[in-house]
Amino acid sequence: GAGVSQSPSNKVTEKGKDVELRCDPISGHTALYWYRQSLGQGLEFLIYFQGNSAPDKSGLPSDRFSAERTGGSVSTLTIQRTQQEDSAVYLCASSLENPRIKNIQYFGAGTRLSVL
Amino acid sequence: AQKVTQAQTEISVVEKEDVTLDCVYETRDTTYYLFWYKQPPSGELVFLIRRNSFDEQNEISGRYSWNFQKSTSSFNFTITASQVVDSAVYFCALSEAWNAGNMLTFGGGTRLMVKP
Repeated sequence: GAGVSQSPSNKVTEKGKDVELRCDPISGHTALYWYRQSLGQGLEFLIYFQGNSAPDKSGLPSDRFSAERTGGSVSTLTIQRTQQEDSAVYLCASSLENPRIKNIQYFGAGTRLSVL
Repeated sequence: AQKVTQAQTEISVVEKEDVTLDCVYETRDTTYYLFWYKQPPSGELVFLIRRNSFDEQNEISGRYSWNFQKSTSSFNFTITASQVVDSAVYFCALSEAWNAGNMLTFGGGTRLMVKP
């Protein structure tokens, strides 16, 4: 597709259940990012992928959060044993990778997660 | 640590008015990049501009203009002759050069409402 695609657009789950959020980046973009947008915390960085590896996981809020990327393309963010404080919009972004310049990150429309 | 502050949480103007959105940043890095993104009700963050720390020239793009002043650590955004379609949340963001991961640190956002 032309842009970053995220699915599902909305997810409602019960506390304690696991959820998987998917991100399909722009074709050819080697860098992929996950951010979380919540009312209390604003927009926060979660994790960054360069290809299939994740050199920076510093933003993951707890060990219940994990992410993987396969084939240098699609990424999945998994939240285990969801808690109500996990309710937020999860945004994915992708960019071309160039260590010398800061490339523009292009964002998807996000997945709105509601934990009941 | 880096920080971005958008002191105006919400601004309301009448169509055709000019409006300036403020952004103040903190960083210890001498090389950094600043960004503005627009988030319409659809939720997707739309890239508007990227500026590096060595380029203090102001930029104009149609009705949009940006004023970058290193002396005051500010990167303000002005919309001239605002239109209803400009209604959105606007985010200012910072990326430091040392951070190979290129993660963005966002301000809290300014919600702009343009009334007809």
